Amino acid sequence: EAAVTQSPRSKVAVTGGKVTLSCHQTNNHDYMYWYRQDTGHGLRLIHYSYVADSTEKGDIPDGYKASRPSQENFSLILELASLSQTAVYFCASSGGGVYAEQFFGPGTRLTVL
Amino acid sequence: SQLAEENLWALSVHEGESVTVNCSYKTSITALQWYRQKSGEGPAQLILIRSNEREKRNGRLRATLDTSSQSSSLSITATRCEDTAVYFCAKGGGGANTGKLTFGHGTILRVHP
Repeated sequence: EAAVTQSPRSKVAVTGGKVTLSCHQTNNHDYMYWYRQDTGHGLRLIHYSYVADSTEKGDIPDGYKASRPSQENFSLILELASLSQTAVYFCASSGGGVYAEQFFGPGTRLTVL
Repeated sequence: SQLAEENLWALSVHEGESVTVNCSYKTSITALQWYRQKSGEGPAQLILIRSNEREKRNGRLRATLDTSSQSSSLSITATRCEDTAVYFCAKGGGGANTGKLTFGHGTILRVHP
């Protein structure tokens, strides 16, 4: 059974609209991450969280907010979606630490028109 | 940012052949991870190799690490069509406990029948 799930799996949004991507994990991990993937790029870290009710900025946080209401759930929020935010978004969880493996969800394909 | 980078964008081999994906990085590491991402899925870890290890195996996979040249390789023997995927190397960073990873841009491997 999948340990990291994401919803929706795909979404079409209009420019200037609000978009919320959701992630749920059953790994009992403290750390959760949001990445975006664009063609020709690897995964780039947007936000991460190590405890409920707290989030940290990653490498490309501009234009994104994150929310961690519980250990299991982590959301990515685009308050004003823009064309440049069209991408595939991945959520991951890990136990933290320098040797931690990250477990990824299946991704959400977001198209902003 | 401190990137791990694969050296080639794409490789193509026939089933049964061996193939090697290379990765270079620019700063010291505690460990390097290799991930595989199949079409339509999230990445999944293949191997973690620690800085004090020179080689790590996992079935048909073999990872090497050369800290003096700051490079790593992932070799796959007896390739199969299902090995077709994007292969990433990833290095840790951003604090000892965060589990944050920085991914390279990935190498696309196509295995032909």
